[in-house]
Amino acid sequence: DAGITQSPRYKITETGRQVTLMCHQTWSHSYMFWYRQDLGHGLRLIYYSAAADITDKGEVSDGYVVSRSKTENFPLTLESATRSQTSVYFCASSDTTRTGEGSPLHFGNGTRLTVT
Amino acid sequence: AQSVTQLGSHVSVSEGALVLLRCNYSSSVPPYLFWYVQYPNQGLQLLLKYTTGATLVKGINGFEAEFKKSETSFHLTKPSAHMSDAAEYFCAVSDRTRSRLAFGKGNQVVVIP
Repeated sequence: DAGITQSPRYKITETGRQVTLMCHQTWSHSYMFWYRQDLGHGLRLIYYSAAADITDKGEVSDGYVVSRSKTENFPLTLESATRSQTSVYFCASSDTTRTGEGSPLHFGNGTRLTVT
Repeated sequence: AQSVTQLGSHVSVSEGALVLLRCNYSSSVPPYLFWYVQYPNQGLQLLLKYTTGATLVKGINGFEAEFKKSETSFHLTKPSAHMSDAAEYFCAVSDRTRSRLAFGKGNQVVVIP
């Protein structure tokens, strides 16, 4: 089915380990985004990408790395996981960067990450 | 910088009663405003948006919102709550480049039978 899928849905990891969250979309949307959702903070942008090989930082990018070698994939890597990175992570895509003009973001169902 | 304030993290409403979720924003440019809804264990979906034109906008599932510039508000309403409206609702405003959104902290709506 067409859409945006995230894997895994749930992940438990230990402090200091590297972990990668996967995101795959089948619409061929140019723009992809990673958000984290935390109680009391709403959604905060971690990284976004305008196209393959073009990425940029959001407001909470420290400790995270992204890559985009193919349009359909946008993995997020936590280089050395910390407890403060325990969160729900959402990937989203859009056919334009102009989400602020009304182009909707299409969200995946999220990955719930726990760092122990 | 653009920002959104949503007061009251949890909102309880009786089935059939009015749903009112408040959103106030700050923006250095004419705002584009959005409401997104998140059902349990799912991502967010666009509920409605205001960019230009008519200040009363209608969305899916019977929701509507009114842009009031003088009050810097974009409150979301639905005349009669249904059990299926139980979800989390996020207000968002576009940044000055119109390329990204700033989200509020969300309102968790509980519908009481």
